[in-house]
Amino acid sequence: GQNIDQPTEMTATEGAIVQINCTYQTSGFNGLFWYQQHAGEAPTFLSYNVLDGLEEKGRFSSFLSRSKGYSYLLLKELQMKDSASYLCAVRDSGAGSYQLTFGKGTKLSVIP
Amino acid sequence: DGGITQSPKYLFRKEGQNVTLSCEQNLNHDAMYWYRQDPGQGLRLIYYSQIVNDFQKGDIAEGYSVSREKKESFPLTVTSAQKNPTAFYLCASSAISRNQPQHFGDGTRLSIL
Repeated sequence: GQNIDQPTEMTATEGAIVQINCTYQTSGFNGLFWYQQHAGEAPTFLSYNVLDGLEEKGRFSSFLSRSKGYSYLLLKELQMKDSASYLCAVRDSGAGSYQLTFGKGTKLSVIP
Repeated sequence: DGGITQSPKYLFRKEGQNVTLSCEQNLNHDAMYWYRQDPGQGLRLIYYSQIVNDFQKGDIAEGYSVSREKKESFPLTVTSAQKNPTAFYLCASSAISRNQPQHFGDGTRLSIL
């Protein structure tokens, strides 16, 4: 089985930097995904990590440490439109398994 | 444009009634998934399919059924056995490759009358 933990809510100021953490405990690991979900809408893919280190994509970066079971999503130069829930999801390493297990999400509020 | 289409956007179910949620994709993806999202619960997997005419139960399959007769289509039926069906239902698809993300439809919000 898998257990994924994220903070429930965070608040940050427009223009600032925020880091959203995700810790996981899995029987096997084959990749970690971050999604953004605005209220009432579909989740949209942000980033993928399978090796240790930092992946950068514009204002968003994602970091992974497999030995620590830890990832974070870093959002720079926050904008009001970044107010959303951020979902951490882990893929199991079981043979033929492409399923994801999702954390409960972190609701980020960006304030002026 | 390629994508995933879910319909209807809103659906109401009467007591004792079965309802079917539609999910169609034109991304040529082999795998399709159904999730349920409740407030504060995150996404929970109901059923998934990696090939036509085959599907597997997820974590919360009781009270639901699916079919996969075509690669493009993966309808979900919420049966009367599902006693608490009010939720936001999301369909997703992906290529069969470890680094490929799942892509989601816009969801169906199901409520009880």
